[in-house]
Amino acid sequence: TQLLEQSPQFLSIQEGENLTVYCNSSSVFSSLQWYRQEPGEGPVLLVTVVTGGEVKKLKRLTFQFGDARKDSSLHITAAQPGDTGLYLCAGAGGGADGLTFGKGTHLIIQP
Amino acid sequence: GAVVSQHPSRVICKSGTSVKIECRSLDFQATTMFWYRQFPKQSLMLMATSNEGSKATYEQGVEKDKFLINHASLTLSTLTVTSAHPEDSSFYICSALPGQLTNYGYTFGSGTRLTVV
Repeated sequence: TQLLEQSPQFLSIQEGENLTVYCNSSSVFSSLQWYRQEPGEGPVLLVTVVTGGEVKKLKRLTFQFGDARKDSSLHITAAQPGDTGLYLCAGAGGGADGLTFGKGTHLIIQP
Repeated sequence: GAVVSQHPSRVICKSGTSVKIECRSLDFQATTMFWYRQFPKQSLMLMATSNEGSKATYEQGVEKDKFLINHASLTLSTLTVTSAHPEDSSFYICSALPGQLTNYGYTFGSGTRLTVV
């Protein structure tokens, strides 16, 4: 069974601060995805990382995939209240497998 | 592209009755669809993998006779919660893989909030 440890589970910071969310596993994933989920809605894909060491940027969000494809991080620069939400990392084992999700990070950005 | 529609978005049913949830891929064909369950303040847990034209594959601990999955076409999978009980109340979410892993990744439906009273 593949497990993903996501931390922190809860984070409340002031607008303008930076933050990093971590996703770690002892298993290798073929790809790792980051989602954002609003209450009462399904997760929305932010990014997919596939190659070890890969870094992708999405405006103020930077995603990194570890060299061994076992861990990933999401860094948000100058957080804004609109970034508030549940962030989920999810690993794909390859082929047509379902995703293994981390427990999620509940992020609150206070104005 | 890669839109998944899930219906209904909310349903309230009486204990002992059955509820059907539909998941449709609107602009692509999905050989494989997935069903997840999410309890309040928790993450998504994979329940089963739905394969078009064959039996679903259930995760350990998920009762296949209680959660019936039918994937009759390349664009539709249904999850039927049979003899529902209050502990089945949860947020159920489907997702689909558009043929092969693309930049779209796994596309998720908007979820169904099931409340069993």
